[in-house]
Amino acid sequence: SQQGEEDPQALSIQEGENATMNCSYKTSINNLQWYRQNSGRGLVHLILIRSNEREKHSGRLRVTLDTSKKSSSLLITASRAADTASYFCAAPGNQFYFGTGTSLTVIP
Amino acid sequence: NAGVTQTPKFQVLKTGQSMTLQCAQDMNHEYMSWYRQDPGMGLRLIHYSVGAGITDQGEVPNGYNVSRSTTEDFPLRLLSAAPSQTSVYFCASSVGGRETQYFGPGTRLLVL
Repeated sequence: SQQGEEDPQALSIQEGENATMNCSYKTSINNLQWYRQNSGRGLVHLILIRSNEREKHSGRLRVTLDTSKKSSSLLITASRAADTASYFCAAPGNQFYFGTGTSLTVIP
Repeated sequence: NAGVTQTPKFQVLKTGQSMTLQCAQDMNHEYMSWYRQDPGMGLRLIHYSVGAGITDQGEVPNGYNVSRSTTEDFPLRLLSAAPSQTSVYFCASSVGGRETQYFGPGTRLLVL
């Protein structure tokens, strides 16, 4: 029972472009979280959006949440080569599950 | 604060051997969990704990045991290693089961 599935699976863009990743989940949530994982490293928390919030910003990150559609999106603006990583969403329910992630490649 | 630490960083086992993966956190977090990550599979929850003395199974618990005798430590035991347990193992902790998770650097396990 995956709670948090990312789309697309892979994304390749040029440096300076924006990157958008989507997440869908199945049941009602208290919050939704996005994480980044650089190759060979542990996950790092990026941003948490509560169920009563519709949009949240953190630096070049913008997260939206649509509870009626059970979906969220992560926008990275003005991407940099250092943004190359895998991005995961998690919509914690009774247990904490992650999806398979979106692999983002930013080409210098 | 060291955050979440895991040892060892890398381990090679033979089929049938047992071992314990160590995980410790110094943030006084009640919730701790173990995940395994395989190529193309994302992270899968093995076991988790909501506090000292309380553990529960995740989605892939078979072949693994856990215990939580203190708030700080949450070791993962492989009872009889199998090649299917070759993976990268991550430990994580958080204030609560639905809050931000803090991850350790991972343990790479190879079972021959």
